[in-house]
Amino acid sequence: NSKVIQTPRYLVKGQGQKAKMRCIPEKGHPVVFWYQQNKNNEFKFLINFQNQEVLQQIDMTEKRFSAECPSNSPCSLEIQSSEAGDSALYLCASSLEDTQYFGPGTRLLVL
Amino acid sequence: GEQVEQLPSILRVQERSSASINCTYENSASNYFPWYKQEPGENPKLIIDIRSNMERKQIQGLIVLLDKKAKRFSLHITDTQPADSAMYFCAASGSGGSNYKLTFGKGTLLTVTP
Repeated sequence: NSKVIQTPRYLVKGQGQKAKMRCIPEKGHPVVFWYQQNKNNEFKFLINFQNQEVLQQIDMTEKRFSAECPSNSPCSLEIQSSEAGDSALYLCASSLEDTQYFGPGTRLLVL
Repeated sequence: GEQVEQLPSILRVQERSSASINCTYENSASNYFPWYKQEPGENPKLIIDIRSNMERKQIQGLIVLLDKKAKRFSLHITDTQPADSAMYFCAASGSGGSNYKLTFGKGTLLTVTP
């Protein structure tokens, strides 16, 4: 069972507002991933970190999101200016080797 | 980029029969293939995985097969129960290792009828 913690579970924002979500990876897992799962259940990789460093991110994340994984603090993902199309389930996963374990997710609704 | 195709998108079987889901991938460097089960309103949960040094893996009633030449892998659920009803997702990691993202299939909605 996953021990990844995500907060908040639900987030409602207006268009143009910032939306911030947090993730505490499983203890001892150095790699953290963020994925977006849309209403059609499709997954999109957003960004990943190893310790505090960004490993990979997609264009959208670089342009519109702010993300960090500071030491001794939760990782965070923040949409700088929410759009209706950002409404989705945001999943954080952590891994020790190749197996990724998902947190419960933050469900974002942008009105 | 990497794509993973998953079929069927909808699968309906009777209790106690088998259910099979098939996935294909593009990147021959992929070497890790997990399967996740996701129930409504829940997060995806890892149910079984296979690495490229294996062709077959079984955990209780779950069997995964990997054909690297064909770039194909599959999940077989034997002796299905209504509790197996859920979305199932296959995935592949681009090049293996803990720092590589998963590419997911579009999912299979499995319904097991009593």
